[in-house]
Amino acid sequence: EAGVTQSPTHLIKTRGQQATLRCSPISGHTSVYWYQQALGLGLQFLLWYDEGEERNRGNFPPRFSGRQFPNYSSELNVNALELEDSALYLCASSWPWDRADYGYTFGSGTRLTVV
Amino acid sequence: DQQVKQNSPSLSVQEGRISILNCDYTNSMFDYFLWYKKYPAEGPTFLISISSIKDKNEDGRFTVFLNKSAKHLSLHIVPSQPGDSAVYFCAASAGNQFYFGTGTSLTVIP
Repeated sequence: EAGVTQSPTHLIKTRGQQATLRCSPISGHTSVYWYQQALGLGLQFLLWYDEGEERNRGNFPPRFSGRQFPNYSSELNVNALELEDSALYLCASSWPWDRADYGYTFGSGTRLTVV
Repeated sequence: DQQVKQNSPSLSVQEGRISILNCDYTNSMFDYFLWYKKYPAEGPTFLISISSIKDKNEDGRFTVFLNKSAKHLSLHIVPSQPGDSAVYFCAASAGNQFYFGTGTSLTVIP
C-alpha cells in the first residue's frame, strides 16, 4: 500500500511568488491535513480537508489556502511568499470521522525555501 | 493557543539509560494521546498511543504514562539506544483532529 506522497520534495521560491504543494493521501483516506514545521518550532496546524470541503483552519493568514480534489488529493497554495514561510510542509491523511488508533499517516514533506 | 505543550526542547541521555519525555495539555476533553517520532527530512511516524481510560500503555522499550488529573503524559524509553535519537511529538485529540506539541529533540549518546 502506497503511503502519503508529497511533491515536490524541495521547492525554492522568491519572496512575493506563489508556491503550490501537492499531496496524495493513502487510498481510502478522505481526510487530508496540512502542517507547517518551521525551524525550531513544532507542527503548526494549517488546514483540514475532508470530502472536498475545508473542515478547519489554523491560525494562518488567508494567503495560505488549499483545496481537495474529487480523488481526495490536495493542494496547498501559499501566495505572496515571505521569508518566514520557509519551512517543512507536512501532509497527513486519515479515515473520515473515524479516529484511527495510530492517528494520522504523514508524508515526508515538502521543504519550501523562500529567498 | 497551544493546547499541547512539550516544555523541554531537547534532551540528552546516555545509551542504555532511561529517556523520559514529558507533555502537558490543557483541554480536559482530550481522550486519546499519541507519541510520534520524527527523523530529519521525514514525516512523523506513529510510536505509541494511550486512551484516557488507561494510565499506562507499554510496547517493548516504550511506555506511555497518563496522569489525567495533572493533564500530563510522559514517554519512557528503556533502555535508550542511539537509533532513538529523533524529535518526539506528543499529540492529543477529542475527536478526529489531533493537536501536536512543539516536540522534544532526543539525543542518545553512545
